[in-house]
Amino acid sequence: AQKVTQAQTEISVVEKEDVTLDCVYETRDTTYYLFWYKQPPSGELVFLIRRNSFDEQNEISGRYSWNFQKSTSSFNFTITASQVVDSAVYFCALSESPETNFGNEKLTFGTGTRLTIIP
Amino acid sequence: DSGVTQTPKHLITATGQRVTLRCSPRSGDLSVYWYQQSLDQGLQFLIQYYNGEERAKGNILERFSAQQFPDLHSELNLSSLELGDSALYFCASSSRDRGPYEQYFGPGTRLTVT
Repeated sequence: AQKVTQAQTEISVVEKEDVTLDCVYETRDTTYYLFWYKQPPSGELVFLIRRNSFDEQNEISGRYSWNFQKSTSSFNFTITASQVVDSAVYFCALSESPETNFGNEKLTFGTGTRLTIIP
Repeated sequence: DSGVTQTPKHLITATGQRVTLRCSPRSGDLSVYWYQQSLDQGLQFLIQYYNGEERAKGNILERFSAQQFPDLHSELNLSSLELGDSALYFCASSSRDRGPYEQYFGPGTRLTVT
């Protein structure tokens, strides 16, 4: 069975500090996808990134970066120079590969990390 | 704006009642997913449809049912409602044809059962 663990329930940092959100996953599949979603106070879920299990290159998008390490089954998310607008709940999620399990692309979510940026 | 629409945004109803939540996927997306977000269960997958056919089922109660219509919109029907069904219900859509398979979520329907 798949499982995603986000051990940090809540994090607070002062604006402009860097912050890393941890995500550890469990799966028996050799091919899978990892995701991060952001849920701001308004409630919608905003897609941030998708990673497949064969691509371990780190990714950077502006102030956001992701570190995928298969050896430790982790997919951590770092926000550099945090801003108040980054305050939200962040979810890490896992899905099986659609290529090997057609039609079953459900996401298994972690419990989320509530990030508060203090002005 | 993800391109996925959900109606209504808010719904307040009484125990024992039945409600229908509606979702329109992004243009061209054939897959529709339903998720429930509650305080005690977190974000849980309920059911997936692909081009009108049910593809996968998660922790969906027997009192709940869904369908996807020929125009690809989907409805989630919740019946014999209980207080514990109060939650935020999300619809998401994705497209195999476009490759990445990211699921884009609608704004959600907040259901309150009193």
